[in-house]
Amino acid sequence: DSGVTQTPKHLITATGQRVTLRCSPRSGDLSVYWYQQSLDQGLQFLIHYYNGEERAKGNILERFSAQQFPDLHSELNLSSLELGDSALYFCASSASRSSYEQYFGPGTRLTVT
Amino acid sequence: AQTVTQSQPEMSVQEAETVTLSCTYDTSESDYYLFWYKQPPSRQMILVIRQEAYKQQNATENRFSVNFQKAAKSFSLKISDSQLGDAAMYFCAYSASPNTGTASKLTFGTGTRLQVTL
Repeated sequence: DSGVTQTPKHLITATGQRVTLRCSPRSGDLSVYWYQQSLDQGLQFLIHYYNGEERAKGNILERFSAQQFPDLHSELNLSSLELGDSALYFCASSASRSSYEQYFGPGTRLTVT
Repeated sequence: AQTVTQSQPEMSVQEAETVTLSCTYDTSESDYYLFWYKQPPSRQMILVIRQEAYKQQNATENRFSVNFQKAAKSFSLKISDSQLGDAAMYFCAYSASPNTGTASKLTFGTGTRLQVTL
């Protein structure tokens, strides 16, 4: 158990809908990273938050947005869902103070029908 | 942009034998970090081993060790005494030096699926 939690574990929804994925980092970790794992794109970095502020953006679609709250949990919002958004979404966390390791949550499997 | 290449989509090893998974990367940075992550059928991403580029000594974690060749930009994973539980997808990953006190994003290879046979 990495100490990173993600909810829900599974999500099935229809095209055009909006969903929210939630992540709680390890106790004391200030950084949260979101990654998408799909069959055709592999594992891709989406976005990074540090202590409530956006630090870096990857290949994140405009339909997707994220935020990190004062209690350090993070939410990834996916809207106007398309079939191609079906994937496993991972959250990872890292400590501050020049830590370079990231620990992953169990992921949320999103299926868009 | 940094890239990570894993040229072996699948590998197979017999239980108790040794196997080496290959990884090459491309970067213009001099300071960075390399990782191997394991993804078993449960799909959980598990950190197996890490290597700091500034360290010449190869990292070792129990039965797992790496062969880090900085000039060749090569970072292979050796699994000794393979066990059935080692069967998984293995991803090589690169991270630039921490940015103002926190880890940078991970760039992953496409993975190598390891089968362990009796």
